[in-house]
Amino acid sequence: QKEVEQNSGPLSVPEGAIASLNCTYSDRGSQSFFWYRQYSGKSPELIMFIYSNGDKEDGRFTAQLNKASQYVSLLIRDSQPSDSATYLCAVRAGNMLTFGGGTRLMVKP
Amino acid sequence: NAGVTQTPKFQVLKTGQSMTLQCAQDMNHNSMYWYRQDPGMGLRLIYYSASEGTTDKGEVPNGYNVSRLNKREFSLRLESAAPSQTSVYFCASIPPGQSNQPQHFGDGTRLSIL
Repeated sequence: QKEVEQNSGPLSVPEGAIASLNCTYSDRGSQSFFWYRQYSGKSPELIMFIYSNGDKEDGRFTAQLNKASQYVSLLIRDSQPSDSATYLCAVRAGNMLTFGGGTRLMVKP
Repeated sequence: NAGVTQTPKFQVLKTGQSMTLQCAQDMNHNSMYWYRQDPGMGLRLIYYSASEGTTDKGEVPNGYNVSRLNKREFSLRLESAAPSQTSVYFCASIPPGQSNQPQHFGDGTRLSIL
């Protein structure tokens, strides 16, 4: 069973702080990695994807990938209350995309 | 600019009833997927179709069947609904080509089985 693990949270951070979300995966054949944000009652929306080791930055978001450690993370700088949501990590191998259980983030004003 | 369209958005069924969830995409994507999401959990893959005419089981296929009618449409059928199938169902598609391309999700179907 290919697994993607996330801490379910909630992760609580004050407004303006950095939120750090982590994800580990079991399949070493995984090729690409995605972070989705999901608001309650809504469908997931893509924030970032990464497929090479290292960091990838997009605005306030930075994705980090370490394939040797089978670890991917998402950093959110200058966290805003509007960032409060569940963040889903997804890992792709071939045609299969496996999701973690999600981490609930709460940004307090 | 429809993207991925799912119908219906909400449905209530009685145990033992059957129904089909519809999904269509207008982005010319090859691969389409059906997921279910239970409260407080991530998405679990039910079935997927890598291309027109092919379907494969995902993590939780029991109790479901699928049909890839054409390139645009991928339907999910519950032959005899059970309370354990109460969930939110998401359809998704990905563009052809490189495997690093993200999925596009529909708005979901909220299904309750009494």
